[in-house]
Amino acid sequence: QQQVKQSPQSLIVQKGGISIINCAYENTAFDYFPWYQQFPGKGPALLIAIRPDVSEKKEGRFTISFNKSAKQFSLHIMDSQPGDSATYFCAARGAQKLVFGQGTRLTINP
Amino acid sequence: GAVVSQHPSWVICKSGTSVKIECRSLDFQATTMFWYRQFPKQSLMLMATSNEGSKATYEQGVEKDKFLINHASLTLSTLTVTSAHPEDSSFYICSASATGQGGYGYTFGSGTRLTVV
Repeated sequence: QQQVKQSPQSLIVQKGGISIINCAYENTAFDYFPWYQQFPGKGPALLIAIRPDVSEKKEGRFTISFNKSAKQFSLHIMDSQPGDSATYFCAARGAQKLVFGQGTRLTINP
Repeated sequence: GAVVSQHPSWVICKSGTSVKIECRSLDFQATTMFWYRQFPKQSLMLMATSNEGSKATYEQGVEKDKFLINHASLTLSTLTVTSAHPEDSSFYICSASATGQGGYGYTFGSGTRLTVV
């Protein structure tokens, strides 16, 4: 019940396209859902986050869509750029701790 | 914004020796710090949670005598890998949280690559 399932494992998108990464969870006690971007050899950096009482949040090219009834949330990256190539992790907070998804390796082809 | 400094960024040590990794919150007081371990191409696995002045709480399967965590102040936590062995080679990442960050902020350090030879 503490798991967060993330898909796809890897994703290749053309420059200018939309990148979509999905996550699903079971624990309804989760109260915070962040997305992190990680470059090789670096720690994760917060991209955008949402709370379960909001269905969508947009910051620049990044949008989180949240479906509380389906227990799913997704990250949309608009106008994807080669600099967006990285590994992305969704996470969910429960009991003060973050549970991470398995990660998605995103490659943006120029 | 909140910054967490983690040192060293990489370390190589001989099997059987101990290694200490430091994690500092530079511009906020971290009431809680977390230590993660990440193997290549895998996700972050939480090892332990520590609150300032309290003993760390370890996740199931993590040896507390092998991975010593000290959170003596609101800005510093250390992870000591004792009697390191090659299987302890991994990427270790700390994260700091402060209740002042709206109760939800988690800032990560840049990670430490440990190689045990």
